[in-house]
Amino acid sequence: AQKVTQAQTEISVVEKEDVTLDCVYETRDTTYYLFWYKQPPSGELVFLIRRNSFDEQNEISGRYSWNFQKSTSSFNFTITASQVVDSAVYFCALSEVGTNAGKSTFGDGTTLTVKP
Amino acid sequence: GAVVSQHPSWVICKSGTSVKIECRSLDFQATTMFWYRQFPKQSLMLMATSNEGSKATYEQGVEKDKFLINHASLTLSTLTVTSAHPEDSSFYICSASQGHGEQFFGPGTRLTVL
Repeated sequence: AQKVTQAQTEISVVEKEDVTLDCVYETRDTTYYLFWYKQPPSGELVFLIRRNSFDEQNEISGRYSWNFQKSTSSFNFTITASQVVDSAVYFCALSEVGTNAGKSTFGDGTTLTVKP
Repeated sequence: GAVVSQHPSWVICKSGTSVKIECRSLDFQATTMFWYRQFPKQSLMLMATSNEGSKATYEQGVEKDKFLINHASLTLSTLTVTSAHPEDSSFYICSASQGHGEQFFGPGTRLTVL
């Protein structure tokens, strides 16, 4: 069975600080996808990134960066120079491929609060 | 990116009534649609997987007679909460997949049962 663990329930930082959100996953599949989503108070899930299990290259997109380490089954997310608008709940998710393509397991989420 | 819509975005109903939620993929054909449920301050929990033209596959603990899912076409799936009760109040989110491991989420439907 798939499992995604986001050990940090809540994180509070002051604006302009860097913050890293941890994500550890468990799966027996060799092929899978990992995702990060942002959920602001409105509730709509905002897609941030998708990474397939064969692509361990780290990615940077503006103030966001992701570190995928298959050896430790981790897919951590860093926000550099955080802003108040970054305040939201962030979910890490693992998605199956093959016969159950798209079926996702979500972590419990990390609530990030960025204070001015 | 692909767009998925949900209707209604919010609904308030009386206990005992049934509520239908629609999920549509607007610019692509979805071979599979998923229904999730999210209680306040909790994660998304998969309720069921729906493939066009076939019966939905429900996750353990989800009552199929309570949550009726119909996937009539490659662009539309519906979730009907039958005889709704206050404990069914939740945020229901659908997603649609083309089968490549990626899924696109709808904006969610907030159901409040009085």
